[in-house]
Amino acid sequence: DTGVSQDPRHKITKRGQNVTFRCDPISEHNRLYWYRQTLGQGPEFLTYFQNEAQLEKSRLLSDRFSAERPKGSFSTLEIQRTEQGDSAMYLCASSVQAYEQYFGPGTRLTVT
Amino acid sequence: DAKTTQPTSMDCAEGRAANLPCNHSTISGNEYVYWYRQIHSQGPQYIIHGLKNNETNEMASLIITEDRKSSTLILPHATLRDTAVYYCIVSNRRGDDKIIFGKGTRLHILP
Repeated sequence: DTGVSQDPRHKITKRGQNVTFRCDPISEHNRLYWYRQTLGQGPEFLTYFQNEAQLEKSRLLSDRFSAERPKGSFSTLEIQRTEQGDSAMYLCASSVQAYEQYFGPGTRLTVT
Repeated sequence: DAKTTQPTSMDCAEGRAANLPCNHSTISGNEYVYWYRQIHSQGPQYIIHGLKNNETNEMASLIITEDRKSSTLILPHATLRDTAVYYCIVSNRRGDDKIIFGKGTRLHILP
């Protein structure tokens, strides 16, 4: 059973650099979600896709953030010109037409 | 979506039942109650959901009051591996839409 996978698991970058994260959902899951989680808080929704279409974006997703899901399979989340406030855990989840979302282990980003 | 209120933290002895309460007094008729948990350094994990009736699965039981204004998640025989943050969420969606998480309850299982 291959669950949701995310790469890399950890990323340390300097302020101003661009970073890209990848999420591979569970096969056949048509919905894919990105969330962000800071220390002591619950995850916050960023955006989601149904197949390759990006259906909703949170106001948290500034112009420096872009997400794609070409061909409706894996997804990438890019952050341009990173800021220290971007330091967080970035979580990906996928679902099929069901009640539960399956989360990956997350990518922990540290901006120095 | 309706707002939920959960205690910040709880302790439970290993082997005992852990009962986690959640208040959702503004829940509307078409909103479901969901529970997820997040073990340290992992992504959240779905536990259970319900609308009106009590529900049970291999992980837990969900008891929803008759007026649906509160619910309790029950872990029947808590183990150390159940130490986690537990999130109670209400949503009128089917669950495959975005999840609005609160701060949850930090459950400590004591040996």
